[in-house]
Amino acid sequence: DAGVIQSPRHEVTEMGQEVTLRCKPISGHNSLFWYRQTMMRGLELLIYFNNNVPIDDSGMPEDRFSAKMPNASFSTLKIQPSEPRDSAVYFCASSLSVRSNQPQHFGDGTRLSIL
Amino acid sequence: GDSVTQMEGPVTLSEEAFLTINCTYTATGYPSLFWYVQYPGEGLQLLLKATKADDKGSNKGFEATYRKETTSFHLEKGSVQVSDSAVYFCAQGGYQKVTFGIGTKLQVIP
Repeated sequence: DAGVIQSPRHEVTEMGQEVTLRCKPISGHNSLFWYRQTMMRGLELLIYFNNNVPIDDSGMPEDRFSAKMPNASFSTLKIQPSEPRDSAVYFCASSLSVRSNQPQHFGDGTRLSIL
Repeated sequence: GDSVTQMEGPVTLSEEAFLTINCTYTATGYPSLFWYVQYPGEGLQLLLKATKADDKGSNKGFEATYRKETTSFHLEKGSVQVSDSAVYFCAQGGYQKVTFGIGTKLQVIP
């Protein structure tokens, strides 16, 4: 079975550029989560969706960050304009639902470097 | 609010040693509890879970028991292998989202 698919796996770009990260959740999963992982701050939840609707975006650091989920099989996380402090590994995860007993399934992440 | 506390790493063990990684949680109600593992260059993978008090989750030789009285979910393995070297995250499932601990890096040396 295909897991959560993220693209690109690596992205290197200069500050000020727009960055778009993509995620395809597991088919049949109704909840989707975006995380950021850094050495200093660990794993941070940025935003999550349930049935394609954003539920909680309180973890989005600034207005430069935006996320969309136009359908059940695709989501994007966009940073515009990007800054060096945005450098991190960004993970997408999906789960069957937001019920507390449902585990999350993670993609392999996008390693983002902003120069 | 909900939180998960796990021991700071890194933890370095010799092959075949006994492993314990401590995890405690604070939550209202009775959350589900999880251990995830992250290998280098990969995302987190579910290792095991327990959904109610006294449940024991197990997988690949790892075990953890949901202890409501001590609000703990310690991860154990009787004999670690080099291939177990990874970062281990304790997590709890709360209302509509999961709260993760900071992660504990385990290094197993031959």
